[in-house]
Amino acid sequence: EAGVAQSPRYKIIEKRQSVAFWCNPISGHATLYWYQQILGQGPKLLIQFQNNGVVDDSQLPKDRFSAERLKGVDSTLKIQPAKLEDSAVYLCASSQLLPHRGNTIYFGEGSWLTVV
Amino acid sequence: AQSVTQLDSHVSVSEGTPVLLRCNYSSSYSPSLFWYVQHPNKGLQLLLKYTSAATLVKGINGFEAEFKKSETSFHLTKPSAHMSDAAEYFCVVSDGTALIFGKGTTLSVSS
Repeated sequence: EAGVAQSPRYKIIEKRQSVAFWCNPISGHATLYWYQQILGQGPKLLIQFQNNGVVDDSQLPKDRFSAERLKGVDSTLKIQPAKLEDSAVYLCASSQLLPHRGNTIYFGEGSWLTVV
Repeated sequence: AQSVTQLDSHVSVSEGTPVLLRCNYSSSYSPSLFWYVQHPNKGLQLLLKYTSAATLVKGINGFEAEFKKSETSFHLTKPSAHMSDAAEYFCVVSDGTALIFGKGTTLSVSS
C-alpha cells in the first residue's frame, strides 16, 4: 500500500517569498492533516480536512498560511509571505476516520522548509 | 482539554539494557493514547496505541506500554535496547478529531 506522499522534500527560500507544499494521502482516506514541526518540538496541528471541508484550522496563521483540498483528495499548503520563524518540517498525514478510538493516522516523510 | 507531558527530554541507555520513556496525560474522558517514533530525516511511525481495551499494549520492535488510569500515565518500555532504537519518541493523545503531541524524548543508545 502506498503511503502519504509529499513534495518537495526540501525547500530553501528567502523571507517574504512564497512556497507551496503538496500532499497526496493514502487512497480512500477521508481525513487529511497538516502539522508543523519546529526543530526540537513535537508536531503542532495547523489544519484538518474531512473530505474537502475544513474541520479545524484554529492554529493556522491565516494572514500568511492557506490550505486547500480540492475534490477531497490532494492538498496544498501555501505560505506567503514567509517569515524566518516558519522554518520547520511540514508533515502531511491521513486517516480513514477520525482518530478517536484509535483509528491510525499515517504520516508522510515531511517537507523541510528553511527560510533565510 | 487533552494534553501529554513527556517527563524526560533525553534518555541515554546502553545496548542490551531496559528502556523506560515516561509520559503523563491529561484528558477529560477516556483517552486514546499513542506512541510514535521518528528516526532522523524520516517520517513518524506508529509504535503502539491504547484504545480502552487491554491496559498493557504491545507494539512493534519489542516495545510495550501500560495504561494506568490512577496515575494518568502511559509509559513506554522495552526490555533490551538495540542501537537501531536511537530516535525521537513522541507520546500522543487524541482529542477525538486530531492528535496532540508531547515535546518528545530523544533516546540515545550506546554500545
